[in-house]
Amino acid sequence: DVKVTQSSRYLVKRTGEKVFLECVQDMDHENMFWYRQDPGLGLRLIYFSYDVKMKEKGDIPEGYSVSREKKERFSLILESASTNQTSMYLCASSLGGPKYNEQFFGPGTRLTVL
Amino acid sequence: EDQVTQSPEALRLQEGESSSLNCSYTVSGLRGLFWYRQDPGKGPEFLFTLYSAGEEKEKERLKATLTKKESFLHITAPKPEDSATYLCAAGGTSYGKLTFGQGTILTVHP
Repeated sequence: DVKVTQSSRYLVKRTGEKVFLECVQDMDHENMFWYRQDPGLGLRLIYFSYDVKMKEKGDIPEGYSVSREKKERFSLILESASTNQTSMYLCASSLGGPKYNEQFFGPGTRLTVL
Repeated sequence: EDQVTQSPEALRLQEGESSSLNCSYTVSGLRGLFWYRQDPGKGPEFLFTLYSAGEEKEKERLKATLTKKESFLHITAPKPEDSATYLCAAGGTSYGKLTFGQGTILTVHP
């Protein structure tokens, strides 16, 4: 079974804090993704990675960075959290090759920035 | 620009009342049409992948179909546990980038 896990289900941080969101997949997938989901705006891609140490900007990368030191782990970093980064954060992964678009999601992290 | 539009935004059904959800897409070079189910406060759960017009996939009370312009998710004799938001997404030629629709919120009353 496909398994994507995220380090926290709920997280509360203060403005200006550095925040780390972790994602781990156990399917040996090449690709990993970070999205945020907001009411009325749907899912928006922040960053993705197609290989270890490789990353690509998505549609809304401002205020975020990522790290992928190992194939199974992809971290999202909020360098200085702001209230407009309060959101549901979703991690996903996919195989390489012809199924690269078939993405499997984790349970999500609900982040609140006060 | 790739676009995916889902309709209706919300659908209320009585238990056992079959219906369909629509997903219209404009994507250059379709590389897969995907359906997900999302329960409140949780991540999307993968349901189906469709790659070519005429393709159909089934799982329990759900059947997904694909044409060159749209996809349908047919729900036969739904139960209250089928209540969720159903998301449609299309993959184009940009590697790894999916375009998501806004979702259809399905409520099935007993």
